Parts: sequence; structure tokens; C-alpha cells
Amino acid sequence: NAGVTQTPKFRILKIGQSMTLQCTQDMNHNYMYWYRQDPGMGLKLIYYSVGAGITDKGEVPNGYNVSRSTTEDFPLRLELAAPSQTSVYFCASSHQQVGLSNQPQHFGDGTRLSIL
Amino acid sequence: EDKVVQSPLSLVVHEGDTVTLNCSYEVTNFRSLLWYKQEKKAPTFLFMLTSSGIEKKSGRLSSILDKKELSSILNITATQTGDSAIYLCAVSNVYAGGTSYGKLTFGQGTILTVHP
Repeated sequence: NAGVTQTPKFRILKIGQSMTLQCTQDMNHNYMYWYRQDPGMGLKLIYYSVGAGITDKGEVPNGYNVSRSTTEDFPLRLELAAPSQTSVYFCASSHQQVGLSNQPQHFGDGTRLSIL
Repeated sequence: EDKVVQSPLSLVVHEGDTVTLNCSYEVTNFRSLLWYKQEKKAPTFLFMLTSSGIEKKSGRLSSILDKKELSSILNITATQTGDSAIYLCAVSNVYAGGTSYGKLTFGQGTILTVHP
């Protein structure tokens, strides 16, 4: 059981380039999330999805876009990369709403992104 | 604005010591408080607390929520080098007026280092 898989693991981008961070889960979870984690900080929610075709903004959505065409996949797109987007990005999924039951969020291993 | 603050930010102890990590929060429509352990990669779920005064335990780790004081503590007894990690506290609230998703707000984390 692979769980939550993120690709790539590392990437260096130039300012103004675009890219898509891939996230896929094989647990048939409805809820999926994208977080970013800056050094010495906790995780901040970028976007989330409660099911295929439904997405909504989190705490720090500016500069990002998402789509959820299938239950399994939840890609995160950076259209015009900026140095402020240098961070570690985590994708997560859960069966129920986070914080509602003891069923935890399952996290991917993260994508370390540097914008130079 | 919802806020979660952890203290101390870092802690260095020796094997066998007992440590107490603190988490305080100010959020609207509180639902639950979660503790995560983050080693090299993704956070892993430890506990979820919803009721005040009830202790959750797992081996040498335990946690209590104080809803009156808007805080929680995470205790680790007889620490081992494998306990070295970042410990993250997060609070879930009920999102009012929109979808039924519960937003998760993270603290900045406590870096625990356990020396042999």
C-alpha cells in the first residue's frame, strides 16, 4: 500500500518558471490537502479538496492553483515561481475531515522546492 | 486570526530525562487539538484530543488538553535518542458558513534533541 505519493522529491526552479507538484493517494480518501512548511515553522494550508471536482482555498493560496479531477490525484501548480515560494510542500489525505475523528491525515514525504 | 503557539522552540536533553512540551491556542470554533511527530520527512500522527482533562497515552508519550486554559501539554518520559524530532501541535476548528471542512492551524513546532 503506497499511501500518499509526491513527485518530484526535489526541484530547483528559476524565477518566473512554472511547474506542477504531483500528489496521488491510493486509499480512496475524499479529503486531500496541500501544505507548505518554511524553516522553523509549522505547516500552512495552501488548498484543500473535499472530493473530486471540489477545491477551496486555505490559509496561503496566492500564487498557487489546484485541480481535483479524480479521487486519487490532487496536483498543485505554481504558475510564476517566486523566491517566496521556496519551501517544503506536503500533500496529505484523510478519510474524514481532519480533526473530526482519530483517523489521522496521511502525509506524503514532501517536495523540497527552491526558487532561484 | 487563529493562532497556535508552542514552547519551548527547542529543547536539548539526555536520554532518560522527562520532557514537557507546551501548546497554547486562540482559535474560533475549536473542535480538537492534534499532536504530530516529524522526523526527517512527513509528520506522523500521535494524538487527537477533544475533551478537557482526558489524558491520551501511548507508551512513554502522553498528552492532556485544558480547554479552560486553551492549552495542551505533551509529556515524554524516559526519553530515547529516537524521540529526537520536531513535535507539532495543530488545532482543528469548525469552519463556519461554508463547507463542513475543519481547518487545521499548526504551531511552529518544538525541536527536541535527545543526547545519549
